[in-house]
Amino acid sequence: QKEVEQDPGPLSVPEGAIVSLNCTYSNSAFQYFMWYRQYSRKGPELLMYTYSSGNKEDGRFTAQVDKSSKYISLFIRDSQPSDSATYLCAMSAGTGGFKTIFGAGTRLFVKA
Amino acid sequence: EAGVVQSPRYKIIEKKQPVAFWCNPISGHNTLYWYRQNLGQGPELLIRYENEEAVDDSQLPKDRFSAERLKGVDSTLKIQPAELGDSAVYLCASSPRRWGASYEQYFGPGTRLTVT
Repeated sequence: QKEVEQDPGPLSVPEGAIVSLNCTYSNSAFQYFMWYRQYSRKGPELLMYTYSSGNKEDGRFTAQVDKSSKYISLFIRDSQPSDSATYLCAMSAGTGGFKTIFGAGTRLFVKA
Repeated sequence: EAGVVQSPRYKIIEKKQPVAFWCNPISGHNTLYWYRQNLGQGPELLIRYENEEAVDDSQLPKDRFSAERLKGVDSTLKIQPAELGDSAVYLCASSPRRWGASYEQYFGPGTRLTVT
């Protein structure tokens, strides 16, 4: 069993839809939870991160962490065609040299 | 500010040939990472440097892979000899914090390696 599980999709939605992307994990030591966006032929770009549990909002993006369920989510409101990309969740047990474990990524297509 | 620079962007080689990838991190970033990303998968760490010291190379296949970061700036990752299973995207990332905060990694565009 992988430490981080993520549905690879693809997920196709119409423009303006609310998108929900999710990951589950097995390592209860994870404390930092990140979401990266990766466009085709590009490197991953950090969207946002959350420390421990709770919600974090940044513009149209909201990240949620439920440590009791070992489940994290990224919501995208008013999705745009420019949001079409692969979204990678990533987790780490801390700073100071802890390894970052990435999910496999979910491919998202937003249709105009 | 310039981002992480990698070259070449694409490389096609025959198996058993050597290949090298180069990375120039963001200026002032002490922590440098090399990741491998297989098709449809997330990046997996190969090696992490703090300045010129390799502090985590546990996932680096040392029989054929080597890396160096002379003077704690640029880094080179080498494969010799390459195998078919090495076909992947090799990503370099850097972090401004010592010991590399996991939430503050900046990635380059990667080198797409195809081994035939």
